[in-house]
Amino acid sequence: DIQLTQSPSSLSASVGDRVTITCRASHFISSYLNWYQQKPGKAPKLLIYEATTLQSGVPSRFSGSGSGTDFTLTIGSLQPEDFATYYCQQSYNTPYTFGRGAKLEIK
Amino acid sequence: QLQLQESGPGRVKPSETLSLTCTVSGGSISSSSYYWGWIRQPPGKGLEWIGSMDYSGNTYNTPSSLKSRVTMSADTSKNQFSLKLRSVTAADTAIYYCARRAVVGRKIDSWGQGTLVTVSS
Repeated sequence: DIQLTQSPSSLSASVGDRVTITCRASHFISSYLNWYQQKPGKAPKLLIYEATTLQSGVPSRFSGSGSGTDFTLTIGSLQPEDFATYYCQQSYNTPYTFGRGAKLEIK
Repeated sequence: QLQLQESGPGRVKPSETLSLTCTVSGGSISSSSYYWGWIRQPPGKGLEWIGSMDYSGNTYNTPSSLKSRVTMSADTSKNQFSLKLRSVTAADTAIYYCARRAVVGRKIDSWGQGTLVTVSS
């Protein structure tokens, strides 16, 4: 199975900060990398698919980059509602796997 | 607007079968543009992909660690799909989500609210 390693696993930031979360795949996954946001008690929400494409309705402060094995999620200017856990997920090869998550907390 | 809703027992005894149903509204599970799947999340932990299926009942992407215990099926007349997980243990305690996976982009673009299933005697 393809392993996804997210870093950092947790981070603290302030409203207005620019934040970057990385996801590294154990094998080549082309651009089949998705990013999800999950808030406590809620289902995950799709933010970015195919590494760089913003899902409809998602604010433009979210962006994704990368291909192959190394990927990045960037939040341009943190808003209070962005404090959550972020997961990457590969859909290149079965079984589809998720990273362990990156918890973003308020500093 | 598409909505997915999981239903089923909140508690299952060890060695028994966990059975969940996902009812879809606002869209048809017979669409060839989507697959329908299950993801779970142990309390306080990360997400685990269980598998997906098309409306014909063809299943895909189930991890080898679960494959021998998982059955998925669809009932197009009720616009529902289902998950059965046999021989459960405490390790199967989790929030179970049903979800829609788009063919284009291979993205999970819609999720149910999730249902907690506890394996306990």
